[in-house]
Amino acid sequence: AQSVTQPDIHITVSEGASLELRCNYSYGATPYLFWYVQSPGQGLQLLLKYFSGDTLVQGIKGFEAEFKRSQSSFNLRKPSVHWSDAAEYFCAVGASGGTSYGKLTFGQGTILTVHP
Amino acid sequence: DGGITQSPKYLFRKEGQNVTLSCEQNLNHDAMYWYRQDPGQGLRLIYYSQIVNDFQKGDIAEGYSVSREKKESFPLTVTSAQKNPTAFYLCASSIGQSWYFGPGTRLLVL
Repeated sequence: AQSVTQPDIHITVSEGASLELRCNYSYGATPYLFWYVQSPGQGLQLLLKYFSGDTLVQGIKGFEAEFKRSQSSFNLRKPSVHWSDAAEYFCAVGASGGTSYGKLTFGQGTILTVHP
Repeated sequence: DGGITQSPKYLFRKEGQNVTLSCEQNLNHDAMYWYRQDPGQGLRLIYYSQIVNDFQKGDIAEGYSVSREKKESFPLTVTSAQKNPTAFYLCASSIGQSWYFGPGTRLLVL
């Protein structure tokens, strides 16, 4: 079965600073990887996804993520954070086959606070 | 507009009562899911359905039940057997490897 770990529960950055949110996954084959963002009391919005091909993925709102198979990681980055980026971020892995196909497994989430 | 509707946004339940959360989608997706969200635990899968009249338990199905009588509807019942039902519940549907999430229902036990 697949699993996802987000090591950082809470990260605080200053507006304009760079950001990196960590995500490590466990899955026996090539995974489908996702990053979602959630504002308080709201549903999830997809930031970006990786299925195959170029390991550097561009998403919405200026976010990007890099798939590193050797490290089982899919870290999310943004070069300059805006106050509106404050939210909770979730990394997720989807199975590409087998009995877990169609299931999306989430990490614990990372809460991002942005100081002015 | 196509999407997923969850109602109500807030739901209150007395201890010992069953309560049903609604989830409707007009995206024509075969697969639908229910997730529970608790602070610091991310989203955990309760039940999922890949096709009408069929569903499977997820990772935390105890105390919950579902039905899938229509393609567009996947209601979740939180039974009195669920010992800690207070949480945020998210419904989703998918096609291929694209998931779509509803706005969520917050369930509070009084």
